[in-house]
Amino acid sequence: QVQLQESGPGLVKPSETLSLTCTVSGYSISSGYYWGWIRQPPGKGLEWIGSIYHSGSTYYNPSLKSRVTISVDTSKNQFSLKLSSVTAADTAVYYCAREPDTCSGGSCYNWFDPWGQGTLVTVSS
Amino acid sequence: DIQMTQSPSSLSASVGDRVTITCRASQSISSYLNWYQQKPGKAPKLLIYAASSLQSGVPSRFSGSGSGTDFTLTISSLQPEDFATYYCQQSYSTPRITFGQGTRLEIK
Repeated sequence: QVQLQESGPGLVKPSETLSLTCTVSGYSISSGYYWGWIRQPPGKGLEWIGSIYHSGSTYYNPSLKSRVTISVDTSKNQFSLKLSSVTAADTAVYYCAREPDTCSGGSCYNWFDPWGQGTLVTVSS
Repeated sequence: DIQMTQSPSSLSASVGDRVTITCRASQSISSYLNWYQQKPGKAPKLLIYAASSLQSGVPSRFSGSGSGTDFTLTISSLQPEDFATYYCQQSYSTPRITFGQGTRLEIK
């Protein structure tokens, strides 16, 4: 059974860098798939941040791209998120998730499953 | 970016009701559409992928349909555990993955 667990500071000061790690168990990141980060401000909807392949290939939400770095450590079966120059608007529950896919007739469909339980990060001085 | 608009934003229904939630894309996304269920304080859970494929372990009362710009999630007979918020998500325009704003399903 694949499980993901986010970890990192729950409080970050404005203008600093938010850093989170997602530890994967029950599945080797090196086996494949993309792995993603999604966030949800309190009481609001979901926003995709970015995703990484086990090889290190990444793609990011263009609205956050200038501030986001996602990396992977296959030896620890972890992937990480860094978000720089944070403001109060970055306060959210941050989720990590696996991004499986299936291909049929030349089209490849992907989705997020499973998700970690999420971790609340508050940006405040 | 492709905008995903769900309707209604909230819905009241009773146990046993048949419920339909709609998701409309601002441009055609073929079948690149997924549905998630989220309960308070919990992570989203995948229900449907590729518009109509039921995720393993999800009850058969959930179904998805649609292609192009218009999609629906149907719950054939509401159960008490189905009261939650539902989100659609498009994966057509990677790296511009976007979610709908959510539909809150409440007990009448």
